[in-house]
Amino acid sequence: NAGVTQTPKFQVLKTGQSMTLQCAQDMNHNSMYWYRQDPGMGLRLIYYSASEGTTDKGEVPNGYNVSRLNKREFSLRLESAAPSQTSVYFCASSERGQVPYEQYFGPGTRLTVT
Amino acid sequence: AQSVSQHNHHVILSEAASLELGCNYSYGGTVNLFWYVQYPGQHLQLLLKYFSGDPLVKGIKGFEAEFIKSKFSFNLRKPSVQWSDTAEYFCAVSSGGSYIPTFGRGTSLIVHP
Repeated sequence: NAGVTQTPKFQVLKTGQSMTLQCAQDMNHNSMYWYRQDPGMGLRLIYYSASEGTTDKGEVPNGYNVSRLNKREFSLRLESAAPSQTSVYFCASSERGQVPYEQYFGPGTRLTVT
Repeated sequence: AQSVSQHNHHVILSEAASLELGCNYSYGGTVNLFWYVQYPGQHLQLLLKYFSGDPLVKGIKGFEAEFIKSKFSFNLRKPSVQWSDTAEYFCAVSSGGSYIPTFGRGTSLIVHP
């Protein structure tokens, strides 16, 4: 099992450019998440998908869009990148049920917007 | 909305020292509690979790955490740290009705050999 995979690992964009971050999981999890990690800020939730076909905003959704392509894949799109979106982006997945399932994280994408 | 506070932002210890990292949360109802660790250059992984039962939870690599409901706390402890424990540690809390956790800002731990 690869777990949660993310592409690309690194990306440099100019202000105004667009890009899509890809995430896939092979654990048959229902729920998937996108976080950004900034120094001293911890992880902040951008968007999440409770199950295939649904997406919802998290704490910091402005400037981002997501697509839950199927149960395995959850992509994050920056339509017009801004320097404030320079960050490390983590995708995660988890099961859902009566007990609190932990999240499994991908290796991250380090994005720099100049 | 739930908030999670990690009071120690940076901790520096020598090997064999004892560790305690604080975590407090704001929600007064049923909570699910997690500690994650992020080693340098790696992704987050689960150290331990609590959702019911014995409030003293044991995790991987000799870590443990104690849930004290009256103090809204879930502090992480390790009796004797090693250089390989150098990492960032995140506390996360989800409220009983939500499966989505709120993360604290993290504590950076540096262990000197």
